[in-house]
This record gives sequence, C-alpha cells and structure tokens, in this order.
Amino acid sequence: RKEVEQDPGPFNVPEGATVAFNCTYSNSASQSFFWYRQDCRKEPKLLMSVYSSGNEDGRFTAQLNRASQYISLLIRDSKLSDSATYLCVVIPLLGGGSNYKLTFGKGTLLTVNP
Amino acid sequence: GAGVSQSPSNKVTEKGKDVELRCDPISGHTALYWYRQSLGQGLEFLIYFQGNSAPDKSGLPSDRFSAERTGGSVSTLTIQRTQQEDSAVYLCASRIRQGPYLSTDTQYFGPGTRLTVL
Repeated sequence: RKEVEQDPGPFNVPEGATVAFNCTYSNSASQSFFWYRQDCRKEPKLLMSVYSSGNEDGRFTAQLNRASQYISLLIRDSKLSDSATYLCVVIPLLGGGSNYKLTFGKGTLLTVNP
Repeated sequence: GAGVSQSPSNKVTEKGKDVELRCDPISGHTALYWYRQSLGQGLEFLIYFQGNSAPDKSGLPSDRFSAERTGGSVSTLTIQRTQQEDSAVYLCASRIRQGPYLSTDTQYFGPGTRLTVL
C-alpha cells in the first residue's frame, strides 16, 4: 500500500457544483495533514491544514478520520478558478526521526467548467 | 516579501553532462528541502537541510545526486552524468520553525527548475 493515495481523478464539474476528494494514508502514526493546491506548471501552495475536529475556510472544508486513516476536502459552489491539482500531504508523528518529511499524494486534477 | 527563488527556470542538457540547480530560500528560514516532480507523479523527497545539522540525504536516488547549503542559506543541487530519467521539475521549499510544533510549519515552494535531459 502506498504511503499516501488519492482519488485518481480527473474530476470535471460544472461551476457551482460541490466536489469532494479523499486521501488515504498508510502510517497510522501520522500526525499532521494538509491539502496543497498546484496550478498547471506552478509550484504547490498550501491550501489548508487539516485539524482533527475538521475545519472550514470559506467554500473549503477539510476533515480527518483517524480510525479509517483518510482525509477529505470538500469544495462547495466551485469556481472556474478552483481548477487545479489538489495534493494530499501527510507528516509522520511529531518527535519521530522524520517528522519534518512531507509525503505527498500524486494529486487529483479538478477542472471546473463554465 | 520575497519568496523562494530558483534558477535556472528551465535547463536543457545532453545526457552525460553535469547540471547545477540553485535555490534561494526565504530569508530567515532555517529548513530547506529539495523535491523532484516527474510528469504525472507526486512530489518525491530528495534531501533536507536544517540549520547546521547534518542533512537528510535519504531521498537522493543515486550517488550522481548531491546537494549542499552554504552559510545556511543558498543551496545547490548537483546532478552528475545526467540521464534521461532525471528529466523532471526540481522544486525547492523552505520553512521556518514556529514553536514546538515543527510538523505544522508551512513549506513555501519555489517555482522550480524544469530539467530536460536529451
């Protein structure tokens, strides 16, 4: 099983749609989780951290399910500008020898159509 | 403020040649990472520098790859005797330690160097 796996995508949705991505991780001791966004031929940029209780930032909602070892990202009322690749990122347990290493999923491509 | 910068933005080289890729992290950031991203693939960790500590080189794919960080700032990734499979985008990222929760620090990426080995 790969360390971090994401929905293969691509996702093609109309403007205004709600879309959800899932990401599973294999290391049960993983401590920190993030969603990054990467536009075509650009560098990844942090979209949001994922907190245990779940968190929301405008149209974006991130959730963590430790028991099932997955995180999710929900985008409501999608905009054309949301078109990008969304990367799931996992960091091992704080205090471990490799807590500074981010493990990235391969990403899910989202295209929002007019 | 200035972000992470990388140079060159694009590099085309012939198989067997050596290349050097440069990264200027954000001023004051003590941690610096190199990643590689091949077409259709996720980010592959290469090497990590933190202050004056010994770097974590566990992600370097072969001994043709090396990196150094001078003065705790600028870093250079060197690939010797390049092969076609080295073609990828090489991304540098930096972060600053914030309190005890190291794993929650945000990494800021540079724009990358697109390497093409012919």
